[in-house]
Order: sequence, then structure tokens, then C-alpha cells
Amino acid sequence: AQKITQTQPGMFVQEKEAVTLDCTYDTSDPSYGLFWYKQPSSGEMIFLIYQGSYDQQNATEGRYSLNFQKARKSANLVISASQLGDSAMYFCAMREGRGAGGFKTIFGAGTRLFVKA
Amino acid sequence: NAGVTQTPKFRVLKTGQSMTLLCAQDMNHEYMYWYRQDPGMGLRLIHYSVGEGTTAKGEVPDGYNVSRLKKQNFLLGLESAAPSQTSVYFCASTWKNTGELFFGEGSRLTVL
Repeated sequence: AQKITQTQPGMFVQEKEAVTLDCTYDTSDPSYGLFWYKQPSSGEMIFLIYQGSYDQQNATEGRYSLNFQKARKSANLVISASQLGDSAMYFCAMREGRGAGGFKTIFGAGTRLFVKA
Repeated sequence: NAGVTQTPKFRVLKTGQSMTLLCAQDMNHEYMYWYRQDPGMGLRLIHYSVGEGTTAKGEVPDGYNVSRLKKQNFLLGLESAAPSQTSVYFCASTWKNTGELFFGEGSRLTVL
């Protein structure tokens, strides 16, 4: 069954340091996509980065990179050079392909990141 | 460009009342989703649709119904509201399987 697990309810990081937010997933569909979203205290959902199951390279978007380890079924988000504005809730999400899941997109419980000055 | 619009933004209901949340997108997206967000539980998928006239159950579909009569609209209905349905509801859409979700601003529903 499709499942996303984020085991870190809260994380602290010093400004300008890098931080890794963990995400593991489970699916029987060979075709799937992994996403990370940010939710600031204002409540909107902001897309950060995408990784496809067949992508050979780890995805990167500015200060965000996705450490994709397919055999371990993990898709950790790495934020480099943390900024105070990175303090937010972060969600990992997965969408299955054309299999039984049929484009269903589910989310993990989230990790709240606190950036310290 | 409006994107994804949810109405209403806030609503207070009494137990047993019914209501409909409307999600409208102007981006010609095929896929639309309804989620609820509760503290500590992330976003849980209620129902979703992969095209006009089609709907499918998500993780927590009980107590909710949906309809997608027009491609741009995805309606979420509560036939008999319960206090356990107090939550923030998000609608989202995307145009392809590898595309990111575009979210509405959320609708805060309180059931007394």
C-alpha cells in the first residue's frame, strides 16, 4: 500500500547551516513521483522540488536538493545554507503512476523546521 | 490569474447540518484533489478526480462525497457534519502526473 513516513516531528538548525529532513515511502508501483512542499505559518502550500522514480540524477532547485535512494525507499530533502525564512512545516508527498493508485497523491505527517539566528 | 479558488474560506456548522465546499481552477487541470489538514497528521487525502466525470476515494473518504461535473470544478460535500470533521480543507490541482500540486488557500470548517 502507498505510504509516506516522516519521522521527525520537529528539527532545529542554526542559520547558514545545512539540514536534512527525512522521508521514507512505500509503494508497489514502479512508476511514481516524490514531492516536497513547504507550509509557512501563513498556511499556503509552496512546491519545492520533484523527483521521478526513473530519474537517474538527484533533483536540485536552488538551495534545495533531494537525496533519492531508491533501494532504501528514501527521499530526503536537504536545505543548504538555512535562512530564517526557512522556518516552516515541510511535507513529503508521493504520487503513484498509472497503476492501481491511479495518480493518487498522499502526504507525510510533516516536519516542523526551526531556524535559529 | 486566480489559480485554485476555494469557497467558502470559513464556515461554522452544527452537528448534522450539510454543506458543500467548492473548488474552482482556471488552469484547465485534469487532476483535482481534496485534503484535510489536522495538527500532527499532515494532509490526508479525502477524494480525488483524474478527469471530468470521474472520482475516486482517498485515505479518509467516509462522511464525504464529491462530484466533478465540470472539469474546472470539484465539489466536496458533507451530508451530515460531525465534530470530527472540524478541520482545514485544501483543494489542489495539477495538469500532469509529474506536475506539482497547485493549492487553494484552504477552508476552515468548524462543526459544533
